[in-house]
Amino acid sequence: GNSVTQMEGPVTLSEEAFLTINCTYTATGYPSLFWYVQYPGEGLQLLLKATKADDKGSNKGFEATYRKETTSFHLEKGSVQVSDSAVYFCARGQFGNEKLTFGTGTRLTIIP
Amino acid sequence: GAGVSQSPSNKVTEKGKDVELRCDPISGHTALYWYRQSLGQGLEFLIYFQGNSAPDKSGLPSDRFSAERTGGSVSTLTIQRTQQEDSAVYLCASSSPGAGETQYFGPGTRLLVL
Repeated sequence: GNSVTQMEGPVTLSEEAFLTINCTYTATGYPSLFWYVQYPGEGLQLLLKATKADDKGSNKGFEATYRKETTSFHLEKGSVQVSDSAVYFCARGQFGNEKLTFGTGTRLTIIP
Repeated sequence: GAGVSQSPSNKVTEKGKDVELRCDPISGHTALYWYRQSLGQGLEFLIYFQGNSAPDKSGLPSDRFSAERTGGSVSTLTIQRTQQEDSAVYLCASSSPGAGETQYFGPGTRLLVL
């Protein structure tokens, strides 16, 4: 079946550090891939997405590239800020109805 | 409204009671989804509505769970004879139809079954 495997958390980094959160997906078809973020006390919101192989999604300094050959969609940011502290979820769509399958979420804490 | 709204924001109920959770999607969005976020299970899909098509109920955990979508807009998720393991945050999302369309999530309803 469809699944998403996401780097376990929690992750704690210092401000301005480089961030990578790994995400891999099962290669059933050509799903759309997403990163959602949940800030403390807020709802889920889309951070970025990619809908086909080699696409790069980017937003707020975050990037992720749809890698078909490694079935991965790793999230990266060159210099994190305290305001990036949140829980990050990798997700894949399912062609036909696009219901999302989520990873387990990674809690990121950035310390000043 | 500008976004997906859900009500109530919090619900405390006794084991065995029925509850109804409501979702108002973004105007014009024909696709509507219910998900559940719980500590033990993470974020999991429950049910999907698209236009007038038969809903995809493949994620509903038991026959105590049901959902309706009236007039292609508002949706109600009903849990009958609630159990403690039903305690979770129930999230609604809506989107335009089509592959890769962004799903916009509501703030959720936090359900606690005592």
